[in-house]
Amino acid sequence: GESVGLHLPTLSVQEGDNSIINCAYSNSASDYFIWYKQESGKGPQFIIDIRSNMDKRQGQRVTVLLNKTVKHLSLQIAATQPGDSAVYFCAVSSGSARQLTFGSGTQLTVLP
Amino acid sequence: DARVTQTPRHKVTEMGQEVTMRCQPILGHNTVFWYRQTMMQGLELLAYFRNRAPLDDSGMPKDRFSAEMPDATLATLKIQPSEPRDSAVYFCASGLSQADEQYFGPGTRLTVT
Repeated sequence: GESVGLHLPTLSVQEGDNSIINCAYSNSASDYFIWYKQESGKGPQFIIDIRSNMDKRQGQRVTVLLNKTVKHLSLQIAATQPGDSAVYFCAVSSGSARQLTFGSGTQLTVLP
Repeated sequence: DARVTQTPRHKVTEMGQEVTMRCQPILGHNTVFWYRQTMMQGLELLAYFRNRAPLDDSGMPKDRFSAEMPDATLATLKIQPSEPRDSAVYFCASGLSQADEQYFGPGTRLTVT
């Protein structure tokens, strides 16, 4: 089965700096990857996704990078703001079941 | 804007009582997922439905949990009897079968004393 892990459970960054959150997955057949943001007391909110036929995808202030060779995924947040403070989850999907397997989450804290 | 809704948002009950959580998926979405989130286990998939048919409920304790979709606009998760170890936040998510992204509701925070 799939296992998904994040490299760091917590990350603190200064406001205005860039943030990088990393994620590793185990199943080389995984073909869909997604990042969620979860604020306290709320449900996970979709940020950005990427399929295995791409290496990079950009959104508004966010970029997802996929390295299939080492089975590594990262989320980059540019010019981190206080509103970015939350728990960030990566999730991966593979096979016909199309179920998402979630990592354990990284708590991002933005320091003033 | 379209979003998944869940009721109740909070539920406190005593051990042994029945608990029913409800979810309204985004209109037009044909897949519905139930997750449980705890500090120790993170997000765990309990069950999911496609076109109202249950596809996988292997994550649910079968003796006390049940999930149904009476119609396309309502999904329910029932626990009977509830136990303190069921205390968690329960999320519903919906999506389209031809797409992978799932959209989460705000969750039901369940406390069983």
